[in-house]
Amino acid sequence: ILNVEQSPQSLHVQEGDSTNFTCSFPSSNFYALHWYRWETAKSPEALFVMTLNGDEKKKGRISATLNTKEGYSYLYIKGSQPEDSATYLCARITGTASKLTFGTGTRLQVTL
Amino acid sequence: DVKVTQSSRYLVKRTGEKVFLECVQDMDHENMFWYRQDPGLGLRLIYFSYDVKMKEKGDIPEGYSVSREKKERFSLILESASTNQTSMYLCASSLSVGGYTFGSGTRLTVV
Repeated sequence: ILNVEQSPQSLHVQEGDSTNFTCSFPSSNFYALHWYRWETAKSPEALFVMTLNGDEKKKGRISATLNTKEGYSYLYIKGSQPEDSATYLCARITGTASKLTFGTGTRLQVTL
Repeated sequence: DVKVTQSSRYLVKRTGEKVFLECVQDMDHENMFWYRQDPGLGLRLIYFSYDVKMKEKGDIPEGYSVSREKKERFSLILESASTNQTSMYLCASSLSVGGYTFGSGTRLTVV
């Protein structure tokens, strides 16, 4: 994998469903992986910064795992709510200046 | 509450104009970044700066320049605006480690 890739591109779930998306990235020269939530008409908001292989972070109903050896991270949302509707971005740190390379995002839509 | 402020939310400029997009942060962050976001392409890095008067090219620097005369301010300059620079521009700042704080974006239309 040369770049940060996210799948699926978009997702439509019902309220109450649990869901997950994938972020794949080059495993070499890994520094850190970030997850952001970007709601329409707002700024991207940092969810997680993950650095260690096997890391697992949680924020309310949202959690993320990291596998740096194989180059992937999963984001899980438990019991999706309409307010979870947003584009979820992952990004990998490259180099020493904290420069992030973003994936194209997973657009989640949660309906009643 | 920490803030990254972009001077304009919407901007319409003519082809060939010199355009300045301003970004100010109040968190004393060393690193500042300019990205553009286009449908299907995600956020792409234009330029970044890790210190005052320091700048480095990102992935798509052509047609842009930047200025960082003070730690809190990072300006993006479109030397001669073209229609393919119509986009959403996002500024962000960060410490050496940790998440980015983004501004609310400037939607630039070049006509």
